[in-house]
Amino acid sequence: AQTVTQSQPEMSVQEAETVTLSCTYDTSESDYYLFWYKQPPSRQMILVIRQEAYKQQNATENRFSVNFQKAAKSFSLKISDSQLGDAAMYFCAYRSVLNNDMRFGAGTRLTVKP
Amino acid sequence: GAVVSQHPSRVICKSGTSVKIECRSLDFQATTMFWYRQFPKQSLMLMATSNEGSKATYEQGVEKDKFLINHASLTLSTLTVTSAHPEDSSFYICSARAGLHYEQYFGPGTRLTVT
Repeated sequence: AQTVTQSQPEMSVQEAETVTLSCTYDTSESDYYLFWYKQPPSRQMILVIRQEAYKQQNATENRFSVNFQKAAKSFSLKISDSQLGDAAMYFCAYRSVLNNDMRFGAGTRLTVKP
Repeated sequence: GAVVSQHPSRVICKSGTSVKIECRSLDFQATTMFWYRQFPKQSLMLMATSNEGSKATYEQGVEKDKFLINHASLTLSTLTVTSAHPEDSSFYICSARAGLHYEQYFGPGTRLTVT
């Protein structure tokens, strides 16, 4: 079974600075999807960014970008120019293309200091 | 993006009773729906996966007779917690997807408190 590991339970960043959240995963599959989700206090899961494993180019969405290292099974999220609204729980997730389910990491709580 | 709704958003029930949570895909047909459980300060744990018109597939350790899932239409799935106990108190999140390679959308969650 696939596992997703987020080794940073909590992270803190100064407003306007850059922060990187780490994620590693374990799989024997060659094709899959990786995601970063944001969960604010409202508990609504919000998709931040997604990466298809077959694509070598790292995904970017405005201030959010990933560093996808397939051989190392690493998928980190970089948030640039951090804003107060970025404060939330961030979950890394893996989804197989062979079956239905999505697996989540334990999450990283990000605090943004003004 | 597509919208997934859940009802109710909060529910309190007495121990021993049953409670039903609805999950609807509002603007797309969901061939697959997922139910997750999230304890405070923890991650989402997949409980079961349901495909429209088929029996749900439950994750190991999830009691299928306690957590009844019905996915009778392409826009509605229900989770019924039967004979609820205080330890069933949690945040339940549903998710829906139009197809295997489609995006997966999440509902806003339902907070269940069993007294």
